[in-house]
Amino acid sequence: SAVISQKPSRDICQRGTSLTIQCQVDSQVTMMFWYRQQPGQSLTLIATANQGSEATYESGFVIDKFPISRPNLTFSTLTVSNMSPEDSSIYLCSVGGQGEEKLFFGSGTQLSVL
Amino acid sequence: QKEVEQNSGPLSVPEGAIASLNCTYSDRGSQSFFWYRQYSGKSPELIMSIYSNGDKEDGRFTAQLNKASQYVSLLIRDSQPSDSATYLCAPRGFQKLVFGTGTRLLVSP
Repeated sequence: SAVISQKPSRDICQRGTSLTIQCQVDSQVTMMFWYRQQPGQSLTLIATANQGSEATYESGFVIDKFPISRPNLTFSTLTVSNMSPEDSSIYLCSVGGQGEEKLFFGSGTQLSVL
Repeated sequence: QKEVEQNSGPLSVPEGAIASLNCTYSDRGSQSFFWYRQYSGKSPELIMSIYSNGDKEDGRFTAQLNKASQYVSLLIRDSQPSDSATYLCAPRGFQKLVFGTGTRLLVSP
């Protein structure tokens, strides 16, 4: 499985600000995904980060709120924009494994918005 | 109906017992199924995958799949306190994994 480095590991932010989360993989991968895990909840897919094109967002998530970059096959960023306390969550980067079906996760970013 | 349903637990078992974790899913088109373990404050870790009806064993873990009943389960034999975690069921839907809310397992020494 790929080694996935995600940073920051945690942050406390003020309402109205933005935070950019970075995800670095030690090998080239086709598929990179961003998930959110709210307290006591399961994982919800935010978007698929596509190299060379715009990210594909799931229902309920929009580019203005969660802009994503994917400049190459080993790196992606997710920005949480104009944050509110409702954005307090764990954000997880993941990559596809063998056959792109299995997912492996980074260590996550614990975000708290005051 | 939720896409993936799991009993939230906690499921409490004594050390050495068999823990049985269950999951039902709604998408009949799902062909691949995954179990993830998530320790508190950590990210999910893939522990099992299953693609065909029947049982698949890997060490102390056995995954069971019944596509007709839209049911997948995970058995953990000889449960250890270190198995205490939340177990997430994840069938693969159209181009993505859909995660259940997880079952919290507590193994007491």
